Amino acid sequence: NAGVMQNPRHLVRRRGQEARLRCSPMKGHSHVYWYRQLPEEGLKFMVYLQKENIIDESGMPKERFSAEFPKEGPSILRIQQVVRGDSAAYFCASSQQAVETEAFFGQGTRLTVV
Amino acid sequence: DAKTTQPNSMESNEEEPVHLPCNHSTISGTDYIHWYRQLPSQGPEYVIHGLTSNVNNRMASLAIAEDRKSSTLILHRATLRDAAVYYCILRDVSGATNKLIFGTGTLLAVQP
Repeated sequence: NAGVMQNPRHLVRRRGQEARLRCSPMKGHSHVYWYRQLPEEGLKFMVYLQKENIIDESGMPKERFSAEFPKEGPSILRIQQVVRGDSAAYFCASSQQAVETEAFFGQGTRLTVV
Repeated sequence: DAKTTQPNSMESNEEEPVHLPCNHSTISGTDYIHWYRQLPSQGPEYVIHGLTSNVNNRMASLAIAEDRKSSTLILHRATLRDAAVYYCILRDVSGATNKLIFGTGTLLAVQP
């Protein structure tokens, strides 16, 4: 059973371009969470999704950021018109439905905006 | 979300036990206590979780105070690979969201 897969592992974008980060949850997991970790800082919650639904997006910036988790395929975190301040590690986690079970994290995508 | 308080950093010697404390005085009856750790340049890794009773697994033990206002993660024999940031997190069963809210954690250094 493969773990949470994130790709790409490293992504370089010029200012103003779009960044697409992909996350394939563990088999059987229908809950996906995205986190951002700025250099030398802690993990900040961004968004929580179930299949085809956004449950909690309280941590998402109001502009340029969007997330989806379609019925088929991976979850996508999309950042439009990237700026240098978007440079960070973006982690995805997945879990089964029960909240008392553990969440499994991917290795992250390190986004660098130049 | 209920808040947790952890020391910023701790040191341990290899092969010795480590006790990582966490205070959560505002914990509610529906909060589970979760511990995660993050090794350098990696994603967080689940360590252990519990509700009221002490818990053991292959990685660690979790000791929960009787009033649930504090807990301690116990690594029985620290190794160099245990050097990481350890996060104590409260996860609400009753809420609509299952998100984990990470604090600043405890940076554990293990000396050979």
